[in-house]
Amino acid sequence: AQTVTQSQPEMSVQEAETVTLSCTYDTSENNYYLFWYKQPPSRQMILVIRQEAYKQQNATENRFSVNFQKAAKSFSLKISDSQLGDTAMYFCAFMKGGNNDMRFGAGTRLTVKP
Amino acid sequence: NAGVMQNPRHLVRRRGQEARLRCSPMKGHSHVYWYRQLPEEGLKFMVYLQKENIIDESGMPKERFSAEFPKEGPSILRIQQVVRGDSAAYFCASSPSEGSGDIQYFGAGTRLSVL
Repeated sequence: AQTVTQSQPEMSVQEAETVTLSCTYDTSENNYYLFWYKQPPSRQMILVIRQEAYKQQNATENRFSVNFQKAAKSFSLKISDSQLGDTAMYFCAFMKGGNNDMRFGAGTRLTVKP
Repeated sequence: NAGVMQNPRHLVRRRGQEARLRCSPMKGHSHVYWYRQLPEEGLKFMVYLQKENIIDESGMPKERFSAEFPKEGPSILRIQQVVRGDSAAYFCASSPSEGSGDIQYFGAGTRLSVL
């Protein structure tokens, strides 16, 4: 069974600063996908970034980037130039290749302070 | 292109009643997923459906819970004889195909409260 661990229940960062959220996972699979989702107070789940395990290049989306370390089974999210609107719960998720269900971590609550 | 629509946003039921949660996928999407989120926890997979077929229900409780995605109309998650432990947020997601690793687009969820 795949497990996803987010070891930081809460984090805070000053506006305009950079913050990194950690995520590790456990799997024996070689083909899989990793995701970061954001859940603001509205509770809507919003995709932040997606990484294919067979790609060595780290995915980036504007101010969001990941550090994907396949051997270490680590998938951290870096948010640069943090904005107040980044305040949300952030969930790391794993999807095994050939499957369609995602396994989520417990989440990290990020607060961006003005 | 409207996103995934879930209704109602909030649903209150008394113990023993039935709860019906609806999900309309994004236009062009034929794959629907249901997840449950307990307070302060991540989402837990419940069931994956395509039109008229249940593909994977490994996360669904064996009793009282059922799901369908008919040829016409929204997907329905049905909880019979609700108990307090069913109180949670229920999220629906959809994807366009069965391609592995497809992005799932989520609705805003239905918060079920059982009194």
